[in-house]
Amino acid sequence: NAGVTQTPKFRILKIGQSMTLQCTQDMNHNYMYWYRQDPGMGLKLIYYSVGAGITDKGEVPNGYNVSRSTTEDFPLRLELAAPSQTSVYFCASSYSRGYEKLFFGSGTQLSVL
Amino acid sequence: DAKTTQPNSMESNEEEPVHLPCNHSTISGTDYIHWYRQLPSQGPEYVIHGLTSNVNNRMASLAIAEDRKSSTLILHRATLRDAAVYYCIPRGNYGQNFVFGPGTRLSVLP
Repeated sequence: NAGVTQTPKFRILKIGQSMTLQCTQDMNHNYMYWYRQDPGMGLKLIYYSVGAGITDKGEVPNGYNVSRSTTEDFPLRLELAAPSQTSVYFCASSYSRGYEKLFFGSGTQLSVL
Repeated sequence: DAKTTQPNSMESNEEEPVHLPCNHSTISGTDYIHWYRQLPSQGPEYVIHGLTSNVNNRMASLAIAEDRKSSTLILHRATLRDAAVYYCIPRGNYGQNFVFGPGTRLSVLP
């Protein structure tokens, strides 16, 4: 099993550009999450999804959009990139029950210059 | 979501046991207590979880207070590789928000 796969691993954007961070999982998990982690700080939840077609905002959703058209994929869209979005982005997934653990991707390092 | 309180940082000597505390006084009766850790420059990884009774696995032990308002992650013999930020997260059944707090930064001294 590949687990949770994120692409790209690194990306540099210019201010105002747009991009999509890809996340796919092959574990048939219904819950998926996007987090960002600024240098030296903790993880902040951006968006999450409890199943295909269902998404909801987390703690820091401004400047981002998500979609969940399939169980496997949960892309994160950045529109009009800003320097404040320079961060490491982690995608994660799990089953819904409380005892199920969270699986993380390896992260995307994004710099907006 | 239940709130958690953890020390900002802790220090341990290599090969000594480490007890990492977490207070979760607002936890509900069906919330599981999860622990994750994040090694430097890596994504978080699962450590252990439990509901009521103490739990052991190859990485650590989890001691849960009888009233479930607190728990302690126990690393039996800390190694340099255990230096990381440790997060305690209550998670309810069908709990959507898997929210990470600031965690405890553990330093391991040789």
